[in-house]
Amino acid sequence: QVQLQESGPGLVKPSETLSLTCGVSGSSTSSGHYWGWIRQPPGKGLEWIASVSHFGTNYYNPSLKSRVTLSIDTSNNQFSLNLNSVTAADTAVYFCARLLRLGSLDLYFDYWGHGTLVTVSS
Amino acid sequence: EVVLTQSPATLSLSPGERATLSCRASQSVGPYLAWFQQKPGQAPRLLIYQASTRATGIPARFSGSGSGTDFTLTITSLEPEDFAVYYCQSRNNWPPEFTFGPGTKVEIK
Repeated sequence: QVQLQESGPGLVKPSETLSLTCGVSGSSTSSGHYWGWIRQPPGKGLEWIASVSHFGTNYYNPSLKSRVTLSIDTSNNQFSLNLNSVTAADTAVYFCARLLRLGSLDLYFDYWGHGTLVTVSS
Repeated sequence: EVVLTQSPATLSLSPGERATLSCRASQSVGPYLAWFQQKPGQAPRLLIYQASTRATGIPARFSGSGSGTDFTLTITSLEPEDFAVYYCQSRNNWPPEFTFGPGTKVEIK
């Protein structure tokens, strides 16, 4: 049973850095899967943030690229997101997810964490 | 960048009725399209990938079709647990940048 669990602060001050970690069980971050982060502002739709491959190659949403850092820790079977210079617009539920890889370009978010609400406020 | 539009925004139906949801891409995405179901307070659940392949454990009343720019999710007979928001999702060819549609809410009439 694949399970993902987000962890990190629920409240971040404006201009500071949002840091989240996704712990993975039932699947290995050193396998051929990709891993990603998606967010959802309250009452709104889904926005992909970034993804990382098992060998550490990162892919970013162009609108967030300048503020995002991703890393993968295969020894602890987890991956992390840093989003700097946050504003109220970054308030959202943040989901981590596994990407099922069926081919080099054939990737689908098949397992998701429950999500964690991060509020940006002073 | 691929832009996805979904219609209708809201679909009001009764249990037992057929639901037909549409997703249109701004450029061809081939067969690389997925559908997700999301209920309040929950993470999205993968229903369909590669436009028409049901994910593990998804009931047969859910089916997907289409290729290129026009896609459809059909729920043949709505069960009470099917009332939710449905998102389509695709990506650019390279690098893999992922896009979600704005969603269709299927509500009880």
